[in-house]
Amino acid sequence: AQTVTQSQPEMSVQEAETVTLSCTYDTSESNYYLFWYKQPPSRQMILVIRQEAYKQQNATENRFSVNFQKAAKSFSLKISDSQLGDTAMYFCASVIQGAQKLVFGQGTRLTINP
Amino acid sequence: GAVVSQHPSRVICKSGTSVKIECRSLDFQATTMFWYRQFPKQSLMLMATSNEGSKATYEQGVEKDKFLINHASLTLSTLTVTSAHPEDSSFYICSARVPGTASYEQYFGPGTRLTVT
Repeated sequence: AQTVTQSQPEMSVQEAETVTLSCTYDTSESNYYLFWYKQPPSRQMILVIRQEAYKQQNATENRFSVNFQKAAKSFSLKISDSQLGDTAMYFCASVIQGAQKLVFGQGTRLTINP
Repeated sequence: GAVVSQHPSRVICKSGTSVKIECRSLDFQATTMFWYRQFPKQSLMLMATSNEGSKATYEQGVEKDKFLINHASLTLSTLTVTSAHPEDSSFYICSARVPGTASYEQYFGPGTRLTVT
């Protein structure tokens, strides 16, 4: 069975700083996909970034990048030049190829302070 | 990008009544939709997977007779909470996958806050 673990319930940084959110996962499958979703106070879930397990190169989307360590089953999210609008719950999620269900971590509440 | 809508955004109903929540894919046809429940400050809990034209697949512990799911078309899935009770009060979110893509991400609706009095 897949599991996703986020060990940081809450984090807080100053605006413009860089912050890294941790995520570890466990699966016996070799082909899977990993995601980071953001849920701001509006509660709308927004896809931040995705990573295919077969790709060695870490995904990047503007200020967001991941550090994907397949052997360690680690998938951390780095937010550079953090902005007030980055304040949100962040969920790490995974799905194995051929399956339908996303498995979510517990979430990390990130607060960006002015 | 793919857009998913939900209606209503919030609803208050009396105990014992039923309430229907709609989930629509606006710019794509969704053969599969998902229904989640989220308690305050917690993660999303998958309730069921809804497949167009067939019965929904419910997660363990979810009452099929209480949470009725109908996926009657490629753009609409509905969740009906029957004989609602205060413990059914929660935030309900639907999502959908864009068929034919290899990336497996889900696109989420804005959610529905249900309050049962």
